[in-house]
Amino acid sequence: GNSVTQMEGPVTLSEEAFLTINCTYTATGYPSLFWYVQYPGEGLQLLLKATKADDKGSNKGFEATYRKETTSFHLEKGSVQVSDSAVYFCALSNQAGTALIFGKGTTLSVSS
Amino acid sequence: DSGVTQTPKHLITATGQRVTLRCSPRSGDLSVYWYQQSLDQGLQFLIQYYNGEERAKGNILERFSAQQFPDLHSELNLSSLELGDSALYFCASSVAGQGSPGANVLTFGAGSRLTVL
Repeated sequence: GNSVTQMEGPVTLSEEAFLTINCTYTATGYPSLFWYVQYPGEGLQLLLKATKADDKGSNKGFEATYRKETTSFHLEKGSVQVSDSAVYFCALSNQAGTALIFGKGTTLSVSS
Repeated sequence: DSGVTQTPKHLITATGQRVTLRCSPRSGDLSVYWYQQSLDQGLQFLIQYYNGEERAKGNILERFSAQQFPDLHSELNLSSLELGDSALYFCASSVAGQGSPGANVLTFGAGSRLTVL
């Protein structure tokens, strides 16, 4: 079945460090891929998405490229801020109108 | 504010009891999804409704049930509660139904935190 695997956290970084959170997936066909972010005490918010191979999603300095050959969708940011501290979830949807399948989430903690 | 409203925000109850969680989707969205978030299981999909009809089931226990009403709001009913049911329950909505073009972007509410004592 479809599944998403994320690197385990927590990830602890200093401000302005480079961030990578790995995400790989297993799915039939051509899924859409997402990164959601959950700030403390809040619901999940869409961070970025990509709908086909080689697409790059980007938002707020975060980027992720849909790599079909490696079934990956790694999240990157060149310079993290304290305000980026949150839990990041990778997710996929195999078909429009269907529920998202989430990874277990990766906690990012950024210190000044 | 995401536009998805969930009530109550917090709920404390005892084992064996029954509770109802409520969700109003974002205006214009026809699909409602329920997820359970716990520390050990992560985000688990429970059930989806589209325009009043059940569309998909995930890891939903038989003690749990849901429905979507004509005004599109949804309720998740949890009965015979156990300690292990303590979790955050999220509702999400989307405009898409099956066969709709484009990616299925879900908008999440802030969640209802259930504590079973």
